[in-house]
Amino acid sequence: AQSVTQLGSHVSVSEGALVLLRCNYSSSVPPYLFWYVQYPNQGLQLLLKYTSAATLVKGINGFEAEFKKSETSFHLTKPSAHMSDAAEYFCAVSEANTGGFKTIFGAGTRLFVKA
Amino acid sequence: DGGITQSPKYLFRKEGQNVTLSCEQNLNHDAMYWYRQDPGQGLRLIYYSQIVNDFQKGDIAEGYSVSREKKESFPLTVTSAQKNPTAFYLCASSNTPWGAFFGQGTRLTVV
Repeated sequence: AQSVTQLGSHVSVSEGALVLLRCNYSSSVPPYLFWYVQYPNQGLQLLLKYTSAATLVKGINGFEAEFKKSETSFHLTKPSAHMSDAAEYFCAVSEANTGGFKTIFGAGTRLFVKA
Repeated sequence: DGGITQSPKYLFRKEGQNVTLSCEQNLNHDAMYWYRQDPGQGLRLIYYSQIVNDFQKGDIAEGYSVSREKKESFPLTVTSAQKNPTAFYLCASSNTPWGAFFGQGTRLTVV
């Protein structure tokens, strides 16, 4: 069965510093992987997705993620944090099952950005 | 503009009442989903539907019911059997597996 583990429920960085949010997945078949961002009291917005093309995926707002099959990881990075990046981030994995596709989300990582 | 709309944004329910949360999409997506979000627990799948007139239980379906009579609509009913319904509910749709579009959520509070 598929699962997603996000390491660290809270991450704090200074403005301008590197952002690294960790995600490990478990899937019995080649997965589709996603990162979403959620601002307070809002829905989730898709940041980027891996669908078996390039292993380094670029998303919106300067974020990118690298798929590493050997490590079953899909960590999210951004070279320089901005105050507006403060939000909650969710990693998700989707795979086919008998009912179609099912997406499982990690528990989320809240990113704090200090001035 | 295409999108997914949830209503109401805030909902208050008395204990023992059933309430229905609305979810409508005009993206022409086949698949629709309902998730429940609680602090520190991420999103948990309640029900999902891949096609009209068909839906499957997710991981926490007890105390909830859905219908999918139209492609555009996937309402969720929170029944009195759901013992702890206070949560943030998110509806999503997708042309699987390319990622989901989410509504803005409904915050349900039991009073």
